[in-house]
Amino acid sequence: AQSVTQLGSHVSVSEGALVLLRCNYSSSVPPYLFWYVQYPNQGLQLLLKYTSAATLVKGINGFEAEFKKSETSFHLTKPSAHMSDAAEYFCAVSSQGAQKLVFGQGTRLTINP
Amino acid sequence: DAGITQSPRHKVTETGTPVTLRCHQTENHRYMYWYRQDPGHGLRLIHYSYGVKDTDKGEVSDGYSVSRSKTEDFLLTLESATSSQTSVYFCAISEYVGSVYNEQFFGPGTRLTVL
Repeated sequence: AQSVTQLGSHVSVSEGALVLLRCNYSSSVPPYLFWYVQYPNQGLQLLLKYTSAATLVKGINGFEAEFKKSETSFHLTKPSAHMSDAAEYFCAVSSQGAQKLVFGQGTRLTINP
Repeated sequence: DAGITQSPRHKVTETGTPVTLRCHQTENHRYMYWYRQDPGHGLRLIHYSYGVKDTDKGEVSDGYSVSRSKTEDFLLTLESATSSQTSVYFCAISEYVGSVYNEQFFGPGTRLTVL
């Protein structure tokens, strides 16, 4: 069975600081990994995805994530936080041949001025 | 944006009443999903569909049923609503391209309150 753990239900950073949101997965087969963002009262939007190509994946709004098989991690980073990044972020895992995603519990990102 | 609409967007109902939520897509995607979102739980899969009349259960399917009679529509029914089903419900769609599973696209959500 696959699972996702997001470390920290709430992360707070200052505007301009590094954003680091942690995601660890468990999968018995090579995974596909996704990060989604949810702004208040909206649905989820895809930030980026890893599907076994390059291990460093660049997404929208300046975010990127690195797939590290040895650490079973797929942490999300952004060099400089902006106020508009305040949202909830979800990590999700799937696998080749599967049609379902398993989501983490989510991390709420707050940006301090 | 993917063409996904959900109706109604907000609903308040009473315990014991039946409720049907509708998801409509214009993308002709094969896969459709219903999730519920609750604080501290992320998104949990209720049911999903892999084609017309083809559905399967997710991790929290008790108390819910679904139907898909057309590619574009996926209905979620709460036969007899309970307060524990107060939640925000999201529909999602996806498709395979070759052998690669593509990401899911999400609708705007339905906020359901069961009194």
